[in-house]
Amino acid sequence: DADVTQTPRNRITKTGKRIMLECSQTKGHDRMYWYRQDPGLGLRLIYYSFDVKDINKGEISDGYSVSRQAQAKFSLSLESAIPNQTALYFCATKQAGGSGELFFGEGSRLTVL
Amino acid sequence: QQQVKQSPQSLIVQKGGISIINCAYENTAFDYFPWYQQFPGKGPALLIAIRPDVSEKKEGRFTISFNKSAKQFSLHIMDSQPGDSATYFCAAIRSSNTGKLIFGQGTTLQVKP
Repeated sequence: DADVTQTPRNRITKTGKRIMLECSQTKGHDRMYWYRQDPGLGLRLIYYSFDVKDINKGEISDGYSVSRQAQAKFSLSLESAIPNQTALYFCATKQAGGSGELFFGEGSRLTVL
Repeated sequence: QQQVKQSPQSLIVQKGGISIINCAYENTAFDYFPWYQQFPGKGPALLIAIRPDVSEKKEGRFTISFNKSAKQFSLHIMDSQPGDSATYFCAAIRSSNTGKLIFGQGTTLQVKP
């Protein structure tokens, strides 16, 4: 089983719908991140969390919200999806301290029509 | 100051050739520079990383060259193979900060047989 699991892997939805992307990890890492990948723009940070009680905005948090339900679970929500949120979304984890290496899930491809 | 600029956006190399991807940064507080490799349908995974106290790091066919004064670093893939075909991201982080990795725009490498 993957250390960082994202669900769903693919989702097509309509403008205005609420969407939740879920992430769970078995690595025991404290830090969890949500990134968005768009062609030509690389990976951009949406939100990050250092523990269950610590949630922080990244560089592109508008239109998104997150919930850290447990150390191992971090979900990303789009309250009212719009077409320019069509992208590939990645969850990642990192051990506090250490080298800075992020461990990524396999991604969730979201299409908003 | 938080940007990492990566070029080229795409690269085609013949098998056995050298692939070179370049990155530039502005923030001199960055102190860890990793490269991530991403295969289609997968999340990025750490390939190789360098700290600014060395000018070069080599791991097998992969080498990072680091020029602190120019604020540039590059990835060299020697004897490129079709299995190296992937998207490559450079990144930078200020380790003493929040652990937020700043990614470049990505380079799609195709190695032709």
